[in-house]
Amino acid sequence: EVQLVESGGGLVQPGRSLRLSCVASGFTFDDYAIHWVRQAPGKGLEWVSSINWNSATINYADSVKGRFTISRDNAKNSLYLQMSSLRPEDAAVYYCAKDRGSNPGHGCDIWGQGTKVSVSS
Amino acid sequence: SYVLTQPPSLSVAPGGTAKITCGGDNIGDTVVHWYQQKPGQAPVLVIYYDSDRPSGIPARFSGSNSGNTATLTISSVAAGDEADYYCQVWDTSGDHRGVFGTGTKVTVL
Repeated sequence: EVQLVESGGGLVQPGRSLRLSCVASGFTFDDYAIHWVRQAPGKGLEWVSSINWNSATINYADSVKGRFTISRDNAKNSLYLQMSSLRPEDAAVYYCAKDRGSNPGHGCDIWGQGTKVSVSS
Repeated sequence: SYVLTQPPSLSVAPGGTAKITCGGDNIGDTVVHWYQQKPGQAPVLVIYYDSDRPSGIPARFSGSNSGNTATLTISSVAAGDEADYYCQVWDTSGDHRGVFGTGTKVTVL
């Protein structure tokens, strides 16, 4: 079965760090770009970051640039999002999503179920 | 930054046609993808490259893109089509980034 499974969410205090993971199965992970997309409670989708197939091209939304770091380990079929200096506005469900292409921009055809991040003191 | 504007909501009777617009500056010069999201679920890709359908998506879903507006059309609307719909582009001006539209809630009357 083709799937993405996120983990690592939870409750964290403002200013602290958290690392999200996403494990892929059922497809050749290192052939595709992968994205992180988040959704705050009751709000729309917000693109967060993307990484191409070989990690040569990485992009971030302005809202997280300098605080979040995306990475992947193709040997482990895994994607990561290291989040630091977390703010209350970072609270959201975080989805990983597989792009249809090896570089971003071709549409996301596989999504995980999401992992919830809460930021509060 | 690039902005995609969608109507917040749209109501349609069963069997009718829903047309969801996505407005952006010269959006016709890029490719648009569309997602359906039902409550408590992850988004599902319903249209990519303006008008292509992934396998498993009914032919009732179609798309077009020209000028400053992209459109997702759902024909013969059924109760199961009630959901939020988002357009998305990959903005290559300046720093490359993904951009989602503001989202449209489709209600089947």
